[in-house]
Amino acid sequence: QSVLTQPPSASGTPGQRVTISCSGSGSNIGNNAVNWYQHLPGTAPKVVMYSNNQRPSGVPDRFFGSKSGTSASLAISGLQSEDEADYYCATWDDSLNGWVFGGGTELTVL
Amino acid sequence: EVQLVESGGGLVRPGGFLRLSCEASGFPFSGHWMHWVRRAPGKGLLWVARINVDGSGTSYGDSVRGRFTISRDNAKNTLYLLMKSLRVDDSGVYYCARDRRVAGGARHFDLWGQGTLVTVSS
Repeated sequence: QSVLTQPPSASGTPGQRVTISCSGSGSNIGNNAVNWYQHLPGTAPKVVMYSNNQRPSGVPDRFFGSKSGTSASLAISGLQSEDEADYYCATWDDSLNGWVFGGGTELTVL
Repeated sequence: EVQLVESGGGLVRPGGFLRLSCEASGFPFSGHWMHWVRRAPGKGLLWVARINVDGSGTSYGDSVRGRFTISRDNAKNTLYLLMKSLRVDDSGVYYCARDRRVAGGARHFDLWGQGTLVTVSS
């Protein structure tokens, strides 16, 4: 059972917009910045959003992050086949005194 | 090239031990906090441990505290994870990750290795 709650799966067709949610509590998302990681098993995970809404260089501007209260979301517009991967939200938890990840959302591009 | 390369994974019996290494190159290793993160089979990412720049400060996830030890050798640009009293549920791919602190104090993991597979089984 992950501390942060994400939907296990999401899907969309090429060109569509998809949003992945991440729900937490006051000790984690409510009080700390949220990061998002993209991971294809067998490869190195990659940060696609940090500090709630900051896009690293090289990540397309189709990716958009937001946070409100104890929830965060990652939106991907103009969906492409290369976006197919597992996505994880992550943040620091003040009560656990450690980093926590969401359970991950498997994104499928139909 | 800026990269992290893990090694040391393998098959080990329950109760056994293993030491993982992560060699850094292409950046000033001694200037970054570092982490270990695990992905178990069929499961998501799990933060394992963190170490500060000179090794004087460490923290661990609840499931490994007291059994795992994170350390580093800045002269060798290498991060380590000593895993003792291994359990079946410690199995998975272990990744090392570089910590980056941005203006305002927020942190994230901005560089990851390809991972090394640990299998704990009798």
